[in-house]
This record gives sequence, structure tokens and C-alpha cells, in this order.
Amino acid sequence: AQSVAQPEDQVNVAEGNPLTVKCTYSVSGNPYLFWYVQYPNRGLQFLLKYITGDNLVKGSYGFEAEFNKSQTSFHLKKPSALVSDSALYFCAVRDDGNNRLAFGKGNQVVVIP
Amino acid sequence: EPEVTQTPSHQVTQMGQEVILRCVPISNHLYFYWYRQILGQKVEFLVSFYNNEISEKSEIFDDQFSVERPDGSNFTLKIRSTKLEDSAMYFCASSESGPQGGNSPLHFGNGTRLTVT
Repeated sequence: AQSVAQPEDQVNVAEGNPLTVKCTYSVSGNPYLFWYVQYPNRGLQFLLKYITGDNLVKGSYGFEAEFNKSQTSFHLKKPSALVSDSALYFCAVRDDGNNRLAFGKGNQVVVIP
Repeated sequence: EPEVTQTPSHQVTQMGQEVILRCVPISNHLYFYWYRQILGQKVEFLVSFYNNEISEKSEIFDDQFSVERPDGSNFTLKIRSTKLEDSAMYFCASSESGPQGGNSPLHFGNGTRLTVT
């Protein structure tokens, strides 16, 4: 069964500084990896995905993520954080031919002005 | 941009009562899902639905749960006899294709907060 670990509960970063949210995964087959963001009282919004191809994936709002197969990681990054990036970020993985997404517990990102 | 819509936004019910949570997926999407998020915990998969039948379900989705697509637009989740531990945020999602179709991302609704008292 697939699973995701997001080791930090909260990530604090000053506005303008680089932001990294960590994610490692476990699957039995090929991984399909996703990042979602959740604002208060809202559903999850898709940010980006890795299916195949380039290890560096670019997504919405200036976010990007790097797939590292040897480290089974898919860390989310943004070069310069904005206060409006403060939200809950979820990493998710799906296995080959499997219809369910397994989510991590989420990371609260707080961008300090 | 098309959205997944869910109603109601908040549902309060007494233990043992039946509830129906409603969702309107994005119109050209073929795959439909329910997830739930208990307060402070991770988002959990409940069920996926394709071609008018359940394609996969989790251990959480027991006989108390059922899903239905009663017409061409709605997708419902029914909990037959609610328990206190069913209190959670329930998210509906849809996707254009599934695992065999390019892994298009899931689009989520804003959720229904279910409170069982």
C-alpha cells in the first residue's frame, strides 16, 4: 500500500525567503506524486504533479517540486515565499493502476511578514 | 473555471440518523471520489466511482456507506446510521481520467462538515 510522510507539522519562513515543504513516499510500483494546498474552509487545490519525465516539476503560483527516486522524496519548493502562501500543504501519492490517493498529514506553512 | 460543488456546507445530525451528502462534479469528468478529513488528521480515501459503479473502496467504507449517481450531474454519499466517529469534513472530488488515462489531477469541492451529536 502506498503512503506519504510529511515529517514537519509546521514550517515557518520569512516573507521573501525560500520555502521548502518536505515529503517522502512509499509505493510498490511507479509513483504518481501530487501536491495540494488547502486554505481555511476550502477544499484542496491542485498545485502540481509528477508522473514521468523531468524530475523538476513546475506548478501553480511559482511552486515547484523535485522528484528524487533514490531518496523517495518529492519536496515542494518556492524561491521566494509570500504571506499569501500561508496555508496547509498536502503531499499525495498514487500507485500504478491504483485509483486512490494516499495523503500525508499535511504541513502548516506560516509566512511571516 | 469549473468547480466541484458540495451541499450542504455544514450538516448536524444525531447519532443513528441517516445523512446524504451531495456533490456536483465537473461536467466532463468521468471519475468521482469521496474523501474525509477528521479534524487534525490526514485526508483519507473513502471510495472511487466510475462508469456507474464503485471502482475501489477503503476499509473505512463499510456497509453503512453507499454512493450513488442518481442522475447525470449529482454524486451522493449516504451514511445509513451515523456514529459519533463519522464527524469529519467530507470532500467530493472528480477527475477527467483515472490511473489508465494520464493521471489527471483530482479537483476537490469545498467540503461538507458533518457533525454527529
